[in-house]
Amino acid sequence: DGGITQSPKYLFRKEGQNVTLSCEQNLNHDAMYWYRQDPGQGLRLIYYSQIVNDFQKGDIAEGYSVSREKKESFPLTVTSAQKNPTAFYLCATSMGQGRWNTEAFFGQGTRLTVV
Amino acid sequence: AQSVSQHNHHVILSEAASLELGCNYSYGGTVNLFWYVQYPGQHLQLLLKYFSGDPLVKGIKGFEAEFIKSKFSFNLRKPSVQWSDTAEYFCAVKPGNDMRFGAGTRLTVKP
Repeated sequence: DGGITQSPKYLFRKEGQNVTLSCEQNLNHDAMYWYRQDPGQGLRLIYYSQIVNDFQKGDIAEGYSVSREKKESFPLTVTSAQKNPTAFYLCATSMGQGRWNTEAFFGQGTRLTVV
Repeated sequence: AQSVSQHNHHVILSEAASLELGCNYSYGGTVNLFWYVQYPGQHLQLLLKYFSGDPLVKGIKGFEAEFIKSKFSFNLRKPSVQWSDTAEYFCAVKPGNDMRFGAGTRLTVKP
């Protein structure tokens, strides 16, 4: 089964705890992205990565961290420094790396609720 | 700041009406342009894309979009909407390796 897998679909955490959202892909895509979706604000870019061991901050990186140790995986950690972490998080991939003119493919998302 | 602007937050149409959703961006240079759709409870799907060539691009489900470079615009159109087009529509711009989205337009089509 090919595609992008985000897990879990729903996640609940207590305030002050770090939490890591998983994103795995078997599309052999170089580029991976994390977005946050809030009602009325569209998708805002958190971090993106073009190759293994390299990533760049997006527009709202504060309070988040990522790693890209493997091509297939791009986990996002929501830290306690993120002031308003409750949101819907989307992972995406594209062919990237020298082929920037390609579309992004999206996972099903993880809805994080911090209580 | 560079941005992607979608002018309409919520559009309500009756079936068979024509649709035009606006999208403007402020990135200079060569960009790639996209429209995505998110049906209720589903993940984002690509409707159409523009990389180069003919500025009028056709997508799935009868949608089309026109790239007007001088206006930094990429408006989405459909001649006759159906109830099943009820969804949220997002314009996206890829100025380089990153991809930026607009705030989205919620379309409600009344039967």
